[in-house]
Amino acid sequence: GESVGLHLPTLSVQEGDNSIINCAYSNSASDYFIWYKQESGKGPQFIIDIRSNMDKRQGQRVTVLLNKTVKHLSLQIAATQPGDSAVYFCAETGGAQKLVFGQGTRLTINP
Amino acid sequence: NAGVTQTPKFQVLKTGQSMTLQCAQDMNHNSMYWYRQDPGMGLRLIYYSASEGTTDKGEVPNGYNVSRLNKREFSLRLESAAPSQTSVYFCASSERETYEQYFGPGTRLTVT
Repeated sequence: GESVGLHLPTLSVQEGDNSIINCAYSNSASDYFIWYKQESGKGPQFIIDIRSNMDKRQGQRVTVLLNKTVKHLSLQIAATQPGDSAVYFCAETGGAQKLVFGQGTRLTINP
Repeated sequence: NAGVTQTPKFQVLKTGQSMTLQCAQDMNHNSMYWYRQDPGMGLRLIYYSASEGTTDKGEVPNGYNVSRLNKREFSLRLESAAPSQTSVYFCASSERETYEQYFGPGTRLTVT
């Protein structure tokens, strides 16, 4: 079956440093990937997405990289701030408008 | 524009009791979803509704039923709650043409 997983369950970075959150996916037919941010006690919030015909996409302070050869997705957050503390999920398309979510990585920011 | 709303925010049930979780969206989205999230895990799809009048099972449908009441509302029912259904439940919606899903704030359910 389809599965999406993350390399690391937790990531701790210094405020101001760049953060890199990784994700491995298994379905080579997936054509769309999304990163979500979930703050404590809240629902997931869309950050950025990328289609399979791209290998990089940039947003405000965030960049998503897609390597289809090794089925790897990463989220880079520049100049990490305290407000970036959250759990980050990657998701891939699961057919028929469905998404398959990974387990999540908890990002903590050290002052 | 409230986005996706869910009621209640918290609920405690005894084993065997029933309840319905309500979800509504005001974005005129065609597709709606119910997920559960257990500690340390990602979201698992329970049921979804690709459009008004249709519902389909997701990854973990056992013990649940859904109703797509109209385009705005999608409810999730637990007929006989079990401790294994203790979880946080999220409702989401999306446009038919896109995969981006918008999530509600969640319902934290405890079954004792």
